[in-house]
Amino acid sequence: SAVISQKPSRDICQRGTSLTIQCQVDSQVTMMFWYRQQPGQSLTLIATANQGSEATYESGFVIDKFPISRPNLTFSTLTVSNMSPEDSSIYLCSVGGFQETQYFGPGTRLLVL
Amino acid sequence: EDQVTQSPEALRLQEGESSSLNCSYTVSGLRGLFWYRQDPGKGPEFLFTLYSAGEEKEKERLKATLTKKESFLHITAPKPEDSATYLCAVQAIGNAGNMLTFGGGTRLMVKP
Repeated sequence: SAVISQKPSRDICQRGTSLTIQCQVDSQVTMMFWYRQQPGQSLTLIATANQGSEATYESGFVIDKFPISRPNLTFSTLTVSNMSPEDSSIYLCSVGGFQETQYFGPGTRLLVL
Repeated sequence: EDQVTQSPEALRLQEGESSSLNCSYTVSGLRGLFWYRQDPGKGPEFLFTLYSAGEEKEKERLKATLTKKESFLHITAPKPEDSATYLCAVQAIGNAGNMLTFGGGTRLMVKP
């Protein structure tokens, strides 16, 4: 399985600011996914990011709030914009081919004050 | 809409006390059912994929089974290091098949 790293591992931010989370994979992958895990909750898919195309967002998530970049086959970023305390969560990236097993990164713990 | 329900929400076991975790699901067409382990502050770690009813997979003290409506994760003679949250997820066949739908998880605590 691929080795996935995320930066930052954790951050504390002020409301109204934005944070960009990076996800780096040690091999080329077709699909990258971004998930949110709110405190005490399970994982919810935010969007799917394919290289060379616009990200596909799930219901309840919009590009203005969570812009995503996928400049190449090993890297993606997720920005959490205009943050509020409700955005405090763990943000996880995962990788996997079409209808294949997904492997997850270590996550980014975000606290918004 | 795909749905996954895990039970119990939390489970406390004594070391060596075997038990099972349940994952009930509804999906339009199942491509695969996945089990992950998540330790506090970390990302989910992949354990198993099950594709069809009757399939079983084992890894150390863990054994996963699948029927048409549910999956079980059996833990035999657990050790304290098995303490973690166990997540179940389903993936549907078709264009939406990239998406994993997760259950709420079972938090397992194994006491020495």
